[in-house]
Amino acid sequence: QSALTQPASVSGSPGQSITISCTGTSSDVGGYNYVSWYQQHPGKAPKLMIYDVSNRPSGVSNRFSGSKSGNTASLTISGLQAEDEADYYCSSYTSSSAVFGGGTKLTVL
Amino acid sequence: QVQLQESGPGLVKPSETLSLTCTVSGGSISSYYWSWIRQPPGKGLEWIGYIYYSGSTNYNPSLKSRVTISVDTSKNQFSLKLSSVTAADTAVYYCAREKRASYGYGEMATAQFDYWGQGTLVTVSS
Repeated sequence: QSALTQPASVSGSPGQSITISCTGTSSDVGGYNYVSWYQQHPGKAPKLMIYDVSNRPSGVSNRFSGSKSGNTASLTISGLQAEDEADYYCSSYTSSSAVFGGGTKLTVL
Repeated sequence: QVQLQESGPGLVKPSETLSLTCTVSGGSISSYYWSWIRQPPGKGLEWIGYIYYSGSTNYNPSLKSRVTISVDTSKNQFSLKLSSVTAADTAVYYCAREKRASYGYGEMATAQFDYWGQGTLVTVSS
């Protein structure tokens, strides 16, 4: 299976909103509602931020939201804060397996 | 609160077998799917495979010929073996719990990971 496609980097100023896209195919993102997003700070393990396309785990800020249209899923972070600067990865279910995106580095200017 | 902790050698020689164990605390290993995921230095995440508490497994097709994942429910542990390693297998290895979903007459893994270990760096070098 091929990795999902994410932009290598995005940036935004504090208080602004940004969106990270995650493009797959009808065999993964487009075929199932098992799309998730992870935040990873340097030297740390990934943290689940969004699951089932748009659900937030308990404790995750409501500034994080997810959506999907066709073969592309999106993560939106509103009201950017300095601590949001991190790498973000999407993941999708596909044929009993998991496939990740290549990751997006978010810089808060 | 579920916690996961990886353990095993940090250095493995080329052509040998990498072996890691993940110990689950704060909850039972039963009724869940448990995965291994790796991340080469400076690169992205790669799913290696999962095991259900009953022992059924599923592996990444690109690694399937070299991977074995096993579970010991009595110790609340699951393990990874990766054979014939090369420098390309150098990575931080994470264990994680995979969310499950009900369907029809059973459950399925959903490729969504809600609890992660801290990760352990394994270097393949002579």
